[in-house]
Amino acid sequence: GAVVSQHPSWVICKSGTSVKIECRSLDFQATTMFWYRQFPKQSLMLMATSNEGSKATYEQGVEKDKFLINHASLTLSTLTVTSAHPEDSSFYICSASATSGASYEQYFGPGTRLTVT
Amino acid sequence: KQEVTQIPAALSVPEGENLVLNCSFTDSAIYNLQWFRQDPGKGLTSLLLIQSSQREQTSGRLNASLDKSSGRSTLYIAASQPGDSATYLCAVALKLVFGKGTKLTVNP
Repeated sequence: GAVVSQHPSWVICKSGTSVKIECRSLDFQATTMFWYRQFPKQSLMLMATSNEGSKATYEQGVEKDKFLINHASLTLSTLTVTSAHPEDSSFYICSASATSGASYEQYFGPGTRLTVT
Repeated sequence: KQEVTQIPAALSVPEGENLVLNCSFTDSAIYNLQWFRQDPGKGLTSLLLIQSSQREQTSGRLNASLDKSSGRSTLYIAASQPGDSATYLCAVALKLVFGKGTKLTVNP
């Protein structure tokens, strides 16, 4: 159980265009979803936290108008990178938490590699 | 601000060796600590989760300990295998703060 999927797994887009990444919890309801970014040879950095039906909470330094997050249901969250630039090229990973009791365990998706040309 | 440090950054061992990976964190007010494995270009695989009230967790050849008061955790891997080669990350919750990982290479 506790499977999280991401789509697409790999995307190339041209500079100035927008790209949407989906994150789905397949077998549980995700009260909270998280979006992370990982640059080469770096660790994961939390970008934002989203709760179903609420606006996302962005970490300091993350532009909320550039990285649009929608958590419309308990099984789906989307991250849209708007007006993408080459420096946005990165590995984006989502995670989901069912927050059962005090566990707060997060289950991670397989990641999406974004390349902006 | 929580900071997580992992030592060593890289480790190369012969097959069959037992090994220990270290993780330290600056703020002891955590909900839990998780150890993950990441293969090159892939997402994360959760290995072990230790709740803040627990001292250790075991899964197969893996054993993770937590000393919250000193801000330390260790991941013990017994009888290492080439398939264990990966980057190992620890992270502390609630909002997961990750270390930079230890890249493990197990040589046949």
